[in-house]
Amino acid sequence: EDKVVQSPLSLVVHEGDTVTLNCSYEVTNFRSLLWYKQEKKAPTFLFMLTSSGIEKKSGRLSSILDKKELFSILNITATQTGDSAIYLCAVEALSKGGSEKLVFGKGTKLTVNP
Amino acid sequence: NAGVTQTPKFRVLKTGQSMTLLCAQDMNHEYMYWYRQDPGMGLRLIHYSVGEGTTAKGEVPDGYNVSRLKKQNFLLGLESAAPSQTSVYFCASSRRLDETQYFGPGTRLLVL
Repeated sequence: EDKVVQSPLSLVVHEGDTVTLNCSYEVTNFRSLLWYKQEKKAPTFLFMLTSSGIEKKSGRLSSILDKKELFSILNITATQTGDSAIYLCAVEALSKGGSEKLVFGKGTKLTVNP
Repeated sequence: NAGVTQTPKFRVLKTGQSMTLLCAQDMNHEYMYWYRQDPGMGLRLIHYSVGEGTTAKGEVPDGYNVSRLKKQNFLLGLESAAPSQTSVYFCASSRRLDETQYFGPGTRLLVL
């Protein structure tokens, strides 16, 4: 059965700290891995990763994928209180019937204290 | 552009009642998705559509039906609501499967 596991489930840090969020997966016919940030309501897209070893970067956020070890990390440097959110990892794969499916992890709840 | 909109924002149903959730997008996206989000479960894909007139099953399709008669609209139907369908429902759309998914604000559904 396809699964996506995120760790830690929750994390509390102080402003200025650097954090690393982990996402490991077991899926058949992997296509891509996606990271989302969810604050109060709907998730917002952060990154999509398809190739191993290529870092994607957006401001203080960066992410990388390891397709051999089946995991991805999301780094946030110089954290700010506005980074407080739930970070979701999702893996896109092909189901048995050949159709697409998107499997989400349970998320990591990040709290950044001033 | 309004992006992705969902109606209603909140609804309370009794067990056995039916309802339809509407998702609309004005970005001319081919792909549309319905997810449900439950505490501790993450987002789970219910159904999705790869274009007007098409639908496909996601991870948790049982108890739901969908229709995509017009490209801009994706309807999610509950024929006979059950308490297990109490959840927050998110709609999303994307131009292609490998591009950004844009999410609507969500619909909170309570089935008593």
